[in-house]
Amino acid sequence: NAGVTQTPKFQVLKTGQSMTLQCAQDMNHEYMSWYRQDPGMGLRLIHYSVGAGITDQGEVPNGYNVSRSTTEDFPLRLLSAAPSQTSVYFCASRPPGLDYEQYFGPGTRLTVT
Amino acid sequence: RKEVEQDPGPFNVPEGATVAFNCTYSNSASQSFFWYRQDCRKEPKLLMSVYSSGNEDGRFTAQLNRASQYISLLIRDSKLSDSATYLCVVNIVGGFQKLVFGTGTRLLVSP
Repeated sequence: NAGVTQTPKFQVLKTGQSMTLQCAQDMNHEYMSWYRQDPGMGLRLIHYSVGAGITDQGEVPNGYNVSRSTTEDFPLRLLSAAPSQTSVYFCASRPPGLDYEQYFGPGTRLTVT
Repeated sequence: RKEVEQDPGPFNVPEGATVAFNCTYSNSASQSFFWYRQDCRKEPKLLMSVYSSGNEDGRFTAQLNRASQYISLLIRDSKLSDSATYLCVVNIVGGFQKLVFGTGTRLLVSP
């Protein structure tokens, strides 16, 4: 049981490049989310999904796309990288319901130059 | 006003000390509450849920005051291994049951 996995762990992009951050979970969780974490800002929700085929925007969705074709996978696409997207990105999953623990992946450290 | 507010710290305490963290939340519709722990350059992990009646897990005690919209975490007999950032987390009821994270309180326990 690997939990939530993310790849890559580190990435450097040039402004304007695109890339996909991969996220997978093997716990059969319906809910999956992408967050970014910046100093002094806490974790901010980018996009989320409540099940395969269903996605929606969080509080900072601009510049990012997601899709959820399977329960296990929830990739995050950066369309045209900007220095403001330099951050640590965490993928997370949990069952629906108020009291369930949310499990996080180990994070991707992204630098955009 | 932020939805979840915490004192960023850092709190510097010696081993064996008792330390308390506070957190306030602004949305009165919040239904469930948690403390997560985040070690340096690692992902957050659940420390404990917080219930209205208060709950304890070993050296850790969490309290919730719904009237004041206030959550606390008390750590007794601090260990070096308690050094981390503690995130206050609130679950907002709605279509997605959004989790809102505070910016965290950093704890440094020294020998």
